[in-house]
Formats: sequence, structure tokens, C-alpha cells
Amino acid sequence: GENVEQHPSTLSVQEGDSAVIKCTYSDSASNYFPWYKQELGKGPQLIIDIRSNVGEKKDQRIAVTLNKTAKHFSLHITETQPEDSAVYFCAANYNNNDMRFGAGTRLTVKP
Amino acid sequence: EAGVTQFPSHSVIEKGQTVTLRCDPISGHDNLYWYRRVMGKEIKFLLHFVKESKQDESGMPNNRFLAERTGGTYSTLKVQPAELEDSGVYFCASSRWGQGARETQYFGPGTRLLVL
Repeated sequence: GENVEQHPSTLSVQEGDSAVIKCTYSDSASNYFPWYKQELGKGPQLIIDIRSNVGEKKDQRIAVTLNKTAKHFSLHITETQPEDSAVYFCAANYNNNDMRFGAGTRLTVKP
Repeated sequence: EAGVTQFPSHSVIEKGQTVTLRCDPISGHDNLYWYRRVMGKEIKFLLHFVKESKQDESGMPNNRFLAERTGGTYSTLKVQPAELEDSGVYFCASSRWGQGARETQYFGPGTRLLVL
């Protein structure tokens, strides 16, 4: 079936360093790629998304890049802070109804 | 504007019992989705409502799961009878009218279901 692969599953960085999470997808028709952050005890919250008509999008310390040819997209967090610690999920739309998610990356930012 | 709410937040039941989960989407959102996450794995799509109609239920694991959205507002997901492998976190998400899975989805806090 159509899958979204996400790496790494866990990531530990020092405060102030950058963090990068990578995802690949298999459906060439996918054209919407959101990233969600899930904090303990809460539901996933959208932090940034990108559509297939652009290759990069930035919002303050967070950026996402998309390579449609290679079918991969990445989340970049710069100047990480302890409050960035959470589980991050990438996703890609599979069809008009279905959003496929990666397995999540647990990011820990050490002060 | 209130976000997506889910009830209960936690449920612990025995194998063979019935559990009903409820989701209240953001007011005015036509699209409502149910997802499930089993420990450490991906968030998996279960089904999608557009208003009161089931648009796609291809992700429902089996006929022990029944979802409804009468009136096109809140939705319920019933598991009957529950099995051990049904344990996980059940998320509901909603998005406004438009392009289905190409619209931004807003998630609820989830219901943590444990079947013993």
C-alpha cells in the first residue's frame, strides 16, 4: 500500500542546535504535506505544511523542504529549545479522503 | 473558537465489552476523520465523513467497528465487542469544506483505549 516512512524514530539534540526529520512518500499524486507536533497528553497540532507547488516554506525557526522528484520532504528546526521536545509526525495525502502519517519522531532537546 | 473535543479521554475495558467514543468537531467543519495510533506506530486512517455521509471507510479494521455521524455534527465510534488489539489512541480530526485530505486537519486530544 501507499506508505510514509519517517526517520529517525528518536532524536536528541542540545539546546540551540538544529534538528532535521526526514520523510519519504510513495504516491506521486500526493500534493499536501503537513507536519504535526504532539505534546504529552495532547493531540497532534499542525505546525507547518507545504503544498506541491513550492519547494520550501519557512515560519520563524521551522522550515520544511519538499523534493517531489525524489518524493521526500523534511522538517528543519533551528535554534532548538527545550519546549520543542515532543513527537513530530509527517503526513502526506493519499487521495481525497486519506492522510497517511509517518510513525513519528520523538525529539528531545537537552538544556 | 473551540477546538475538536473527544470523550472520554481514557477508557479501560475488558475484552468482549463495548465502548463508544465521541468526537465533536470544530463547528462548521464538514469533514470529520477518525484515526488510531497503536503504541509506537504510525497514525492510521480509519474513516472519513463528509457531513453525515461516510466518504471512505476503507481503514476500518473489521465489522466490530461502527462509526456514525447523524445530523452531520458530532460522531461516535463504537467498538463491539472489543479485543485486545483494539487498544491504542483514537484521534478525531476535522477540516472545513473543500478538498478533503488536502485541507488542514485539526486534531482532538484523543481517547486512550486499553482493552484488558
